[in-house]
Amino acid sequence: DAGVIQSPRHEVTEMGQEVTLRCKPISGHNSLFWYRQTMMRGLELLIYFNNNVPIDDSGMPEDRFSAKMPNASFSTLKIQPSEPRDSAVYFCASSWDRIQPQHFGDGTRLSIL
Amino acid sequence: DQQVKQNSPSLSVQEGRISILNCDYTNSMFDYFLWYKKYPAEGPTFLISISSIKDKNEDGRFTVFLNKSAKHLSLHIVPSQPGDSAVYFCAAITGNQFYFGTGTSLTVIP
Repeated sequence: DAGVIQSPRHEVTEMGQEVTLRCKPISGHNSLFWYRQTMMRGLELLIYFNNNVPIDDSGMPEDRFSAKMPNASFSTLKIQPSEPRDSAVYFCASSWDRIQPQHFGDGTRLSIL
Repeated sequence: DQQVKQNSPSLSVQEGRISILNCDYTNSMFDYFLWYKKYPAEGPTFLISISSIKDKNEDGRFTVFLNKSAKHLSLHIVPSQPGDSAVYFCAAITGNQFYFGTGTSLTVIP
């Protein structure tokens, strides 16, 4: 049974470039989450989808960040334009519903130079 | 502001002894709490959870205690094993809000 799949695993790009992170949730899960992990703030929820609909995006830092879930098996997190302070590990997670344990992907380590 | 806090960044314990990881929270509306374990270069994995209507939940070597009056959550691992060495995150849920602590790095010394 495949877990949550994220791509790429690592991304290094220059400031100002567009960055797209991808996530394939576990089949059958109807909740999907994007997190950002930094040393200072730990894991922060960026956005939460339920049945492909964004339920809460209050954690999205600013308009440079956007997330989509066009269908139940795919989601993207886009940063445009990227800035050095966006450097972090970004995790995608999915679950059966909001209180069920979340299954995390292995993350994308993003470095903006 | 951090609604879920893990004030100890690291903890070292001898193999076979008890590991106690602590978590404090500020929001009395949290209705569900979870602990996750994370190894380097991997995503967090679920360990154990507890509903706010309970004060204890046990699963093998892992027990989670909830003290609502103190707004305090703890994870006990007995006996600790070297394979338990990882970063442990507590998490809390209310409505559509999900909060994680900053993590505690546990090292179990053989």
